[in-house]
Amino acid sequence: EAQVTQNPRYLITVTGKKLTVTCSQNMNHEYMSWYRQDPGLGLRQIYYSMNVEVTDKGDVPEGYKVSRKEKRNFPLILESPSPNQTSLYFCASSPSHAPPGNTIYFGEGSWLTVV
Amino acid sequence: GNSVTQMEGPVTLSEEAFLTINCTYTATGYPSLFWYVQYPGEGLQLLLKATKADDKGSNKGFEATYRKETTSFHLEKGSVQVSDSAVYFCALSDRYRGSTLGRLYFGRGTQLTVWP
Repeated sequence: EAQVTQNPRYLITVTGKKLTVTCSQNMNHEYMSWYRQDPGLGLRQIYYSMNVEVTDKGDVPEGYKVSRKEKRNFPLILESPSPNQTSLYFCASSPSHAPPGNTIYFGEGSWLTVV
Repeated sequence: GNSVTQMEGPVTLSEEAFLTINCTYTATGYPSLFWYVQYPGEGLQLLLKATKADDKGSNKGFEATYRKETTSFHLEKGSVQVSDSAVYFCALSDRYRGSTLGRLYFGRGTQLTVWP
């Protein structure tokens, strides 16, 4: 079954304690990205990656890091989380060379609370 | 730049009512347009899409037509059900450095609640 898997699904952490949200896809997709969803703001892209070792900033990259050492994994790293990073995070993936409008698959989301 | 504007919610309807959620976009090129749906506690699922002007996307009784002249992609359903209660996101994707896939730009989402 085609899947994008995120972990953890729910996390409460404290300000300044480094954390990593993992994302893995089993579809051999080149393209992966991270979004955060906040009330009234919709989804905003944090970072994306067109392929292994190729990453680029989205709209709201501040306070986040990513890496793409393997095709299937795209972890999101919060080096020093702050309360304004409390949000619902989604990982997504898709083939990069495909007909226009190719489907992008989303993970189930990770609820992160920083206190 | 690229952006999506969709009508703000929440939208509350009775079962079997007609639904329209407006979506307009701004794009520099020739984007593909999408509607995604998010049911409570779940991730986003693609509802329908259209890749060029005048295309109509449809799924589960929902429809949207890609209107280049009005830069719109309004979502419609003739008769909503309680099970349609969800948040609906309009989105567009552009091209990235010549490839056919780009990033997604989302609207802010519209909460739909359908009462029996």
